[in-house]
Order: sequence, then C-alpha cells, then structure tokens
Amino acid sequence: GAVVSQHPSRVICKSGTSVKIECRSLDFQATTMFWYRQFPKQSLMLMATSNEGSKATYEQGVEKDKFLINHASLTLSTLTVTSAHPEDSSFYICSGSLTDTQYFGPGTRLTVL
Amino acid sequence: GENVEQHPSTLSVQEGDSAVIKCTYSDSASNYFPWYKQELGKRPQLIIDIRSNVGEKKDQRIAVTLNKTAKHFSLHITETQPEDSAVYFCAARGGATNKLIFGTGTLLAVQP
Repeated sequence: GAVVSQHPSRVICKSGTSVKIECRSLDFQATTMFWYRQFPKQSLMLMATSNEGSKATYEQGVEKDKFLINHASLTLSTLTVTSAHPEDSSFYICSGSLTDTQYFGPGTRLTVL
Repeated sequence: GENVEQHPSTLSVQEGDSAVIKCTYSDSASNYFPWYKQELGKRPQLIIDIRSNVGEKKDQRIAVTLNKTAKHFSLHITETQPEDSAVYFCAARGGATNKLIFGTGTLLAVQP
C-alpha cells in the first residue's frame, strides 16, 4: 500500500522558536497533502490542504503566517510552526492523497516548553 | 460546511461479540466515506471505505453500510478480538472538495 513518512517523530522546543516537520510520500506521488492536528483524546482537525506547486488552503481559524506550508514536489510537503508557544503543543499528522484515499504519516509529537 | 457526528463515543464489548459504530453527515453531496482505526500514539489506518454509489461493502469481519437518504453510515465488526481495541474514526468527503471531515471517534474496548 501507499506509505507516508513524517520527520521528526518527536520534537521538543523552546517557546518562540520555529519547528519544521517534513511529510513524504515514499511510493506514490501525492498531488495533494493534508495537515492535521490532534489533541489528546480528540479527533483529527484539518489545518490545511497543500497542493504541489501552489499555495496551501487553510481552514478557518488556522493562522497561515504561523503555520507555513510548502509543497515543493509531488512527494514532499513541509509544515513550519513559527514562533511556537506552549498551546501549539500537539500531535501533527500529514496525509497524502492517492485517488480517493488518504494515507497518513506516523505523526509528529510537538512539545513547546 | 460538512459536519460528521459519530456515536457512541465509547463502546465496550466481550470478545466474540459484534460492534456497531454509527455516523451521520450533513452534506448530501458527500460521496466518499472511509473508516480509520487509530491505536494510541499511532497513525490512523484505513480499514474500509465506501463510495456513494454502493450501499454495503464487506471485508472479512468488517462491513460498512451506507444510507444516502438518511445520510448515515455504519461500521460493523463481527467476532471481535482484543486486537480490535482502538479508536475508530469515520469520515466523509464533501462533494465539492477532496477534504475529509472526521467524526469525533469511538473508543472500542474488546474485553477478553
């Protein structure tokens, strides 16, 4: 099946710093990638839709200047959390779309101190 | 926009029993309905999906039914096993976009 990787799996950073998370589709080309965040015991909340070569589409309430998304190739999308604060601590998961189906990465646990 | 409701939030069954999880959606144009299983700290894994031109789909112990008129779909797991214990999420894709909107999740516990 289609495989999506994500790096890093865990990151701890200080408040005010920026963190970059990479999402790669390993065995397929994902023209569309999605970024979600998930708080403990909660559902997946879509943050943005990322299309290769174009600007990301952000969901209502998600600050595009804080969560920078780049989708430079058909196999790589990155999410940069800028000026991170403790409330940004969460589980961030990406997915790559292959026809109808979304295949998820293993997630990145971000802890902001 | 699309809204997906999921029930129950928790479900405990005895090993060997069946489990049913139900979801309703709001956008009548929705055309794709996947179900994901997520173990603690892991990625969501697709377990079955159904498209709007089909009423039922089965894969071994797992089945999904779709009622487009009522705008609801259900996951059925038969002969449950302890390894089925996880959080299950339904999702719906609206007709106008390729975004998935997720339900709130069901924590399934299968008691040995």
